[in-house]
Amino acid sequence: KAGVTQTPRYLIKTRGQQVTLSCSPISGHRSVSWYQQTPGQGLQFLFEYFSETQRNKGNFPGRFSGRQFSNSRSEMNVSTLELGDSALYLCASSLVGRTTDTQYFGPGTRLTVL
Amino acid sequence: AQRVTQPEKLLSVFKGAPVELKCNYSYSGSPELFWYVQYSRQRLQLLLRHISRESIKGFTADLNKGETSFHLKKPFAQEEDSAMYYCALIGSSNTGKLIFGQGTTLQVKP
Repeated sequence: KAGVTQTPRYLIKTRGQQVTLSCSPISGHRSVSWYQQTPGQGLQFLFEYFSETQRNKGNFPGRFSGRQFSNSRSEMNVSTLELGDSALYLCASSLVGRTTDTQYFGPGTRLTVL
Repeated sequence: AQRVTQPEKLLSVFKGAPVELKCNYSYSGSPELFWYVQYSRQRLQLLLRHISRESIKGFTADLNKGETSFHLKKPFAQEEDSAMYYCALIGSSNTGKLIFGQGTTLQVKP
């Protein structure tokens, strides 16, 4: 079974721009969660999608948004980029997002904001 | 507030020595606790979860609700155990929202 894939793997943007990151979950998985990883704040939950609906949201500004498609693929968008948005963005997929479901992480997208 | 605390940023031990990675949590309820590991240049992956009560790669973790702790232990460290370890919790039964600690780098010296 193919693992979770994320595209692109690396991205360089400038302040004020917007960016879209993509996540393809493991086949059959319907829950996708997004996390931001930075040296200072560690791993922080952004949001979770299940069956095309946002089920949970972390404490991030409205500039961070996401969506999930009918094939469970998910995208997250960050508008009006700030220097502090530079981070590794990870997505994780699981069957339906229950606590008993193992979450499988992708390799991440490294976003650098200049 | 839901919080996971890993007090040590770095834990350095010699091969064959016992290892204990500390994790304390704050949650008003019954959370599910996990340990995730990230080896160099690899993805974050689940190591073990408290509900399974299993030993993975020689590691065990016991949930102590009285002390709100979920420390990870291994009696004899191996060099291949060197990695970043994250303690995490899920507070609700119908969610994939993981709350992570800051992580502890385990360095096992030969």
